[in-house]
Amino acid sequence: KAGVTQTPRYLIKTRGQQVTLSCSPISGHRSVSWYQQTPGQGLQFLFEYFSETQRNKGNFPGRFSGRQFSNSRSEMNVSTLELGDSALYLCASSLRLGQPQHFGDGTRLSIL
Amino acid sequence: AQTVTQSQPEMSVQEAETVTLSCTYDTSESDYYLFWYKQPPSRQMILVIRQEAYKQQNATENRFSVNFQKAAKSFSLKISDSQLGDAAMYFCAYRSADQGGSEKLVFGKGTKLTVNP
Repeated sequence: KAGVTQTPRYLIKTRGQQVTLSCSPISGHRSVSWYQQTPGQGLQFLFEYFSETQRNKGNFPGRFSGRQFSNSRSEMNVSTLELGDSALYLCASSLRLGQPQHFGDGTRLSIL
Repeated sequence: AQTVTQSQPEMSVQEAETVTLSCTYDTSESDYYLFWYKQPPSRQMILVIRQEAYKQQNATENRFSVNFQKAAKSFSLKISDSQLGDAAMYFCAYRSADQGGSEKLVFGKGTKLTVNP
């Protein structure tokens, strides 16, 4: 069974641009969560989706947004990129609420 | 808000020896889940072990076991017969078990484990 797939693996952008990251959960998984990982702040929760509905959002500015499609695939978007947005963005999926989450390999975003 | 603290930024162990990684957490909830995740240089977060707070019995997965002390809010990970492949960052994480609650994981800062041959 294929794991959680995140694309792209690496991305380089400049300040002010916007970016879209993609996450395909494990087949059958309906819950998707996103995390930002930086050396300074560690792992921080961004948002979670279940059946196309955002259920919870972390303490991030409105520049960070996301959505989930009917096939459970999810995208997150960051607009007006800042240097501090450089991070590893991890996506996790679970079969249903309350089940263990399985993570993808992440997208490494670098802002120049 | 819940917090998770890992007081050991780095640990090392000799191959085949045993090592214990510490984790403490703070919560006012009575029901929750605790996890240990492993993140090797390949970046993927891998679930090592899971503990449900209402279960008194400590979880075990092969060479990995936990010492869950609910009253002390402590959740340590013991790795027995350490192998070179165990070298990674280890993260302790908390999640509420409220029905209909969030899937949000609260992570500690991590412990970097080095395994010496």
